[in-house]
Amino acid sequence: RKEVEQDPGPFNVPEGATVAFNCTYSNSASQSFFWYRQDCRKEPKLLMSVYSSGNEDGRFTAQLNRASQYISLLIRDSKLSDSATYLCVVTRRNNNDMRFGAGTRLTVKP
Amino acid sequence: DAGITQSPRHKVTETGTPVTLRCHQTENHRYMYWYRQDPGHGLRLIHYSYGVKDTDKGEVSDGYSVSRSKTEDFLLTLESATSSQTSVYFCAISGNSNQPQHFGDGTRLSIL
Repeated sequence: RKEVEQDPGPFNVPEGATVAFNCTYSNSASQSFFWYRQDCRKEPKLLMSVYSSGNEDGRFTAQLNRASQYISLLIRDSKLSDSATYLCVVTRRNNNDMRFGAGTRLTVKP
Repeated sequence: DAGITQSPRHKVTETGTPVTLRCHQTENHRYMYWYRQDPGHGLRLIHYSYGVKDTDKGEVSDGYSVSRSKTEDFLLTLESATSSQTSVYFCAISGNSNQPQHFGDGTRLSIL
């Protein structure tokens, strides 16, 4: 079993839709959590950190459930430019030991 | 964007040849990392550095070595490349171990 699991998708949604991704992790001692975004053939870019109380950045909301060991990302009012692969990242002791999920691919269509 | 330059951007080489990839940063960050990304696996850490001449192994370090003689440069070497090392290699940097990492553009390496 992989340490970080994501539904690979693809998720195909129309513009304006709300879409949610989940990610589960197996190491209960995990410390920090992030969502990265990766466009096709590009480098991963930090989308947002995930805090225990949940956090929001514009149309994006991240939630953490430590008891069930999952992280979620909600995207509201999807834009064409949101089309990308979203990577769930979990760290062990510190950010020197980041474990990446394989990613969830999102395509937003007109 | 973070000042990270990877070179070369693309390379094709033959099995058994040595290969060195370079990561150069202009941010004066202490931490530098090398990852490989393969379909279905996500990014996996090869080696990282926490200062000049200070390095440590990651999850998939076998067959790779690294060196950091200057703050700004982190080199990844495949002493004798194998076809299983065909991958996309990303360098990342961070200011400290509690900050998220920022990635370079990647190097596509094909070993025939």
